[in-house]
Amino acid sequence: NAGVMQNPRHLVRRRGQEARLRCSPMKGHSHVYWYRQLPEEGLKFMVYLQKENIIDESGMPKERFSAEFPKEGPSILRIQQVVRGDSAAYFCASSPTLDNEQFFGPGTRLTVL
Amino acid sequence: QQQVKQSPQSLIVQKGGISIINCAYENTAFDYFPWYQQFPGKGPALLIAIRPDVSEKKEGRFTISFNKSAKQFSLHIMDSQPGDSATYFCAAIDNAGNMLTFGGGTRLMVKP
Repeated sequence: NAGVMQNPRHLVRRRGQEARLRCSPMKGHSHVYWYRQLPEEGLKFMVYLQKENIIDESGMPKERFSAEFPKEGPSILRIQQVVRGDSAAYFCASSPTLDNEQFFGPGTRLTVL
Repeated sequence: QQQVKQSPQSLIVQKGGISIINCAYENTAFDYFPWYQQFPGKGPALLIAIRPDVSEKKEGRFTISFNKSAKQFSLHIMDSQPGDSATYFCAAIDNAGNMLTFGGGTRLMVKP
């Protein structure tokens, strides 16, 4: 039973480019969460999605960031026109239902040059 | 506004000693308090969790103590081992949502 999968594990982008981060939840999990971890800091909630729906995006920056969880395929976190301040580790977590343990993936480490 | 405050930021303990990490929260709607362990380059992994209807929970060498009136909870690692060296995060979830609010983390080093 594979865990939460994220790819790529490392991503390097130049300022102004787009970054696409993918997350495949554990089998049977329909709830996906994205968190961002800046260097030497704790994780900060970004967005909570269920299949085809954004449930809570209160932690998402208002511009340049978007997320989706289509009916088929992985969840995608998209960052347009990246800036150096976007450099961070982005973690995805999934759970089978609400009020259940969240299982984290290994993260994608984004570096913006 | 940081809703979960964690201390210390770093901790060095001798092998066999007790590691103690403390967290305090402000939001009285929090009703689930997990602790996560994170090794370098890895995602956080759930270690142990507690709900506010109990004051203590023990799993092996790991114990959570919970003080609801003080809005504080702590992680105790008994007989600390070098393999416990990692970053530990406390977290909380409120009864209205499912997003985790994390503390700032404690980097634990257990010396042989």
